[in-house]
Amino acid sequence: EAGVVQSPRYKIIEKKQPVAFWCNPISGHNTLYWYRQNLGQGPELLIRYENEEAVDDSQLPKDRFSAERLKGVDSTLKIQPAELGDSAVYLCASSLEQGDGYTFGSGTRLTVV
Amino acid sequence: AQKITQTQPGMFVQEKEAVTLDCTYDTSDPSYGLFWYKQPSSGEMIFLIYQGSYDQQNATEGRYSLNFQKARKSANLVISASQLGDSAMYFCAMRGSGAAGNKLTFGGGTRVLVKP
Repeated sequence: EAGVVQSPRYKIIEKKQPVAFWCNPISGHNTLYWYRQNLGQGPELLIRYENEEAVDDSQLPKDRFSAERLKGVDSTLKIQPAELGDSAVYLCASSLEQGDGYTFGSGTRLTVV
Repeated sequence: AQKITQTQPGMFVQEKEAVTLDCTYDTSDPSYGLFWYKQPSSGEMIFLIYQGSYDQQNATEGRYSLNFQKARKSANLVISASQLGDSAMYFCAMRGSGAAGNKLTFGGGTRVLVKP
């Protein structure tokens, strides 16, 4: 069984440019998470989806970040425009509803220059 | 609100020795779960061990064991017989219950370096 797949693995962009990250969760996992991990810190939740509904987006900077999960499967996280402080690893994870098993993708390392 | 605290930013351990990584938590949820993850330099988050708040016994998984002290709100990870491949960042995380139950809250991590 394939794990959580994220792309791209690495991305370098100039500030003020847009960027998008893609995540394909484990088949059957209805809950999907996007986390941001700054260097040397623990991951912090940006948004959580139950199927196609965003049920927790309180930590998502909505002025520049947006996310979608069409059809309750794949998800895209977008930043527009990117700022220097957005440089981080963006992790996607999925789980069954109310499950105890979380599976993380390999992450996208974003560098904004 | 949930909070996880890992007070050790970094640790050295000699190969083949045991190491204990500290984790304390704070939550008002009556039911919760505690996790430990390993993150090597490659970046993936690898699940190590899980402890439910109502579990009577401490969780064990191979060389990993969780020292769960509910009254003290601590969930320390013990790695026995350390190996060079154990060098990584280690994160303690908690899942609560209720409406925010599925969200994992992470601590700041502890970097472990195993010396030969």
